[in-house]
Amino acid sequence: GENVEQHPSTLSVQEGDSAVIKCTYSDSASNYFPWYKQELGKRPQLIIDIRSNVGEKKDQRIAVTLNKTAKHFSLHITETQPEDSAVYFCAASKRANQFYFGTGTSLTVIP
Amino acid sequence: KAGVTQTPRYLIKTRGQQVTLSCSPISGHRSVSWYQQTPGQGLQFLFEYFSETQRNKGNFPGRFSGRQFSNSRSEMNVSTLELGDSALYLCASSSEVGETQYFGPGTRLLVL
Repeated sequence: GENVEQHPSTLSVQEGDSAVIKCTYSDSASNYFPWYKQELGKRPQLIIDIRSNVGEKKDQRIAVTLNKTAKHFSLHITETQPEDSAVYFCAASKRANQFYFGTGTSLTVIP
Repeated sequence: KAGVTQTPRYLIKTRGQQVTLSCSPISGHRSVSWYQQTPGQGLQFLFEYFSETQRNKGNFPGRFSGRQFSNSRSEMNVSTLELGDSALYLCASSSEVGETQYFGPGTRLLVL
């Protein structure tokens, strides 16, 4: 089955700096890659996603890049703010509604 | 639309007991997936139901089972509870053709 690895497991950045989280996947048939943000005690919420026919997608301060050849995708957060502090999960899917998640990155933005 | 809801929010059980968790998807969503979330393991896929049929299944023992009703509400059952079953159980719903999953708040299960 699919295996998704996520790095780093923890990340601390100064407010205003950028944060990058990387994920690799094993199944070349995976074609949909969402990212979720989970604040302490809350449910995971989708923040951005990308499909395999697109190399990059941006939404304000958040962007995701996908390298199908290398089988890795990354989340980029620019101009980080304290409210960006949370756990971020990447996921991969090759068919609807079966997702494999990474183990999460705990991001702390230091004011 | 109302979001995904889960009941109960918290449960304490003892080893050997069984437990049933409930999930109500967003109105119109026919797919419900279940995940187990534990520290260090992230979210692990349990199974997915669509139109009352289990369509996908993760690598969990047979003690974990589920079902879906005609109104798309889903239940998950864990029999013969073990200490290692202590976790946050999340369900997520999605539409028939969409791939975006919307998560419920989770049920936190503690097995003593």
